[in-house]
Amino acid sequence: DSGVTQTPKHLITATGQRVTLRCSPRSGDLSVYWYQQSLDQGLQFLIQYYNGEERAKGNILERFSAQQFPDLHSELNLSSLELGDSALYFCASSSSGGGLGTGELFFGEGSRLTVL
Amino acid sequence: AQSVTQLGSHVSVSEGALVLLRCNYSSSVPPYLFWYVQYPNQGLQLLLKYTTGATLVKGINGFEAEFKKSETSFHLTKPSAHMSDAAEYFCAVSDRSNDYKLSFGAGTTVTVRA
Repeated sequence: DSGVTQTPKHLITATGQRVTLRCSPRSGDLSVYWYQQSLDQGLQFLIQYYNGEERAKGNILERFSAQQFPDLHSELNLSSLELGDSALYFCASSSSGGGLGTGELFFGEGSRLTVL
Repeated sequence: AQSVTQLGSHVSVSEGALVLLRCNYSSSVPPYLFWYVQYPNQGLQLLLKYTTGATLVKGINGFEAEFKKSETSFHLTKPSAHMSDAAEYFCAVSDRSNDYKLSFGAGTTVTVRA
């Protein structure tokens, strides 16, 4: 058990819809990362938050947005969903940030999104 | 910027045979290096890491990796493969100059033949 909790584990929705994925980081970790994993694209970094602020952006579409709340949990919002958005979405947390740490990430079990 | 190259997207080994997964990196500063494993329908979990000190690092499930600075490599090995080692393996390097952001390799899928 990594200590990172993601909900929901599975989600099936239709094209054009909007979904929200939730992540609770390990206790004490200030950094939260979101990744997308699909068969054709592999593991893609989407976005990172550190202590409530956006720290780094990767290959995140404009239809996607994220935020980190004061209690450090994070949400990834996916809107105007397309078939190609079907993937596993992972959240990871880290104690690294602010110039300290090693970069080691602790991953949740993922949220599997299926868009029909 | 850091980058990671994993040689071979698929590796097939016989049960009991050596597992060798290759990872090369580029880094402008001394790196922190990681191997993660992903079993089917699960998240990534840390196998082992190199930060400082001994260059031969031992991890879980009998895996080990050696940091070779001269070769910019961090290959993962296990002397004797087990069926339960079938998984996807990711090498990663931490960018100390960019708030320790991890860059992942493309992954290597290991299948184990009985």
